Formats: sequence, C-alpha cells, structure tokens
Amino acid sequence: GAGVSQTPSNKVTEKGKYVELRCDPISGHTALYWYRQSLGQGPEFLIYFQGTGAADDSGLPNDRFFAVRPEGSVSTLKIQRTERGDSAVYLCASSLAAQETQYFGPGTRLLVL
Amino acid sequence: AQSVTQLGSHVSVSEGALVLLRCNYSSSVPPYLFWYVQYPNQGLQLLLKYTSAATLVKGINGFEAEFKKSETSFHLTKPSAHMSDAAEYFCAVTYWSASKIIFGSGTRLSIRP
Repeated sequence: GAGVSQTPSNKVTEKGKYVELRCDPISGHTALYWYRQSLGQGPEFLIYFQGTGAADDSGLPNDRFFAVRPEGSVSTLKIQRTERGDSAVYLCASSLAAQETQYFGPGTRLLVL
Repeated sequence: AQSVTQLGSHVSVSEGALVLLRCNYSSSVPPYLFWYVQYPNQGLQLLLKYTSAATLVKGINGFEAEFKKSETSFHLTKPSAHMSDAAEYFCAVTYWSASKIIFGSGTRLSIRP
C-alpha cells in the first residue's frame, strides 16, 4: 500500500514569509508525528497527533510553528515569519496507534533565503 | 531523560567486511531501541527494534543488534557488507508509554569496493 507522502518535496522561501508543509499519513493510521532534521543531525521531535488533537507539542521551537490535523488524517505544519535557521528537512511519520512502529515519509526540504 | 550517542559520524568498511555501528543509550526507564536507515533523498526506514523481548534482534537486510543492559549499548552489526548498505544509520530510543522517538546524530556508512 501507499506509504507516508509529503508535499512539496522541496520549498524555497524568503525570510519572513509563511509556509505550509503537508503530510498524508498511511491510511488508517491514527497517530501522526512531525520531526525536523537539520543538516548533519538526527531528526528532532516537533509534535504528535492522536486523531485530530495534538497530544504532545513539546518539541515545537516557538510560537511561529503550528500544526493541524482537522479530520484526523492529513496534517499541515505551518511556519510563520520564517527565519534562515528554519532551513531543514521536515519529516512526517505515522503509526497505526500510539507506541506502534512509526513509518516515515521522504520529507520536505525547506530552504529559507 | 533519554538520549542516544552514536560513536563515529562516519564509518568506512570494505565490501564483504564486518559492519559494526556503535550506539549507547541513556534512559531512566526500560528503553525501546531502534535502528533506522536513511538512503539519499529517501525517508527513514526501520531496520530493527528492541522492545524488551529477546536481547538479540534480527532486522532486515541481514542486520542485527544486541541489547546489553550492563553496557547500555545497542550496537548494529552485519557480517558481510554490500555496496547497497551505503547509507546513513540512526540509533533511536523511546519507552513504552512515550510517543516521540529520540534520535542519535547518525553514522554515515561507506562501502569500499
């Protein structure tokens, strides 16, 4: 079956702009996660959804970052007033339920100029 | 708090040689441990996971890892390297009731012909 998909695969924006990154989880997966991977580093947790609600958003770096999952399937990560330091690969993962194996998408590579 | 340390950011071995990628963890509760592989421009793929059952865990592509509580280690091995094993490998930790995974900084594996 289809895996986790993320769009766009690449996004170039200018400092100060707003961006949205989309994640389509595996069908039927109730849990969805966002991670950020900076160059040369491992992924860092941002936020976890169980269904429509954010169950853990402790990894969001500041209030410029926000994520939604209004229907319990597709999720959008939103970044306001982007900064050059936001440049990274943003990874989405989903799992059948919490504490189950997480399956990762290919990521969105964000470059803020 | 939980963390993982991967010893060696880059490991190079000859084709057919033993692969050994080192990972040490820190956890105040019984850990769940993972190894993920990331091929260029692809998402993270789960190689294997330890969730408190057998201490020797076998994964895909001929990889295995052994959980050693006394050494707080979870090293990844493969008896004979193939060119197709060249990739970035990440060790990661979580625990039974957690949602987020804590990743190490990764080890890039190169295979010499």
